[in-house]
Amino acid sequence: GENVEQHPSTLSVQEGDSAVIKCTYSDSASNYFPWYKQELGKGPQLIIDIRSNVGEKKDQRIAVTLNKTAKHFSLHITETQPEDSAVYFCAPQPPGYALNFGKGTSLLVTP
Amino acid sequence: DSGVTQTPKHLITATGQRVTLRCSPRSGDLSVYWYQQSLDQGLQFLIQYYNGEERAKGNILERFSAQQFPDLHSELNLSSLELGDSALYFCASSVGGKHEAFFGQGTRLTVV
Repeated sequence: GENVEQHPSTLSVQEGDSAVIKCTYSDSASNYFPWYKQELGKGPQLIIDIRSNVGEKKDQRIAVTLNKTAKHFSLHITETQPEDSAVYFCAPQPPGYALNFGKGTSLLVTP
Repeated sequence: DSGVTQTPKHLITATGQRVTLRCSPRSGDLSVYWYQQSLDQGLQFLIQYYNGEERAKGNILERFSAQQFPDLHSELNLSSLELGDSALYFCASSVGGKHEAFFGQGTRLTVV
C-alpha cells in the first residue's frame, strides 16, 4: 500500500507568517493530491487539491505544489491567522483506491 | 456543513457489545467511505461502497461489517467490541471514486 509521511508533525508560527507542510508518498501511480483541515470536534474538510497534470494551484492564502518526480507535495499557507490553527492532513490517492491519509500536522498560529 | 450526516454523534457501550453507526451521504453522491480515527493511528481507511456494492477494503477487522442500502445511506456494524475499538468513526461521500470526498462530523465511540 501507499506510504505517506507528513512533516513536520507540529508547527507553531506567529500570526502573519507563512506555514509550509510537506507530504511524501510512495505510490507513483497516485494522481490526486488533496489537503484536509480538521478542527477540534469536526470532520476533515477539503481545503485544496491538485491533480497530477498540474504543478501548482492557489486559492487565496492557500497553495499546493506538486513534484511528481520526487513524489512529494506541499501545502503553503501565507499570512496565517489564528483560525488557521488546526490539524492538516495530506491524502494522496492512487487510481481505484481510497484516500490514504498522512498522520497529520498540528498547526498553531499565535497572535 | 458538508452535507454528510452521521448518527449518533456519541456512543458509549460495553465490551462485547454490538453497535451500528449510520451515514447519509450528500445528495447525489454514490460513493461512501468509512474511516476510523484514533490518536495513535491517524485516519485509517476501513471500507468503500459505490452504489450499493463494496468497492474497496482497507484495514477493516472481521468483527466489523458495512453495507450501503438502495437509498445510498450506509451502516457500519461493529461487533464483539473491545476497548481498543474506541475511536472516532467518520463517513465520507463523493460523487464517484475520483472526486472530492466530503466528511461527516463523525461518531465518537467509547467502549468501556
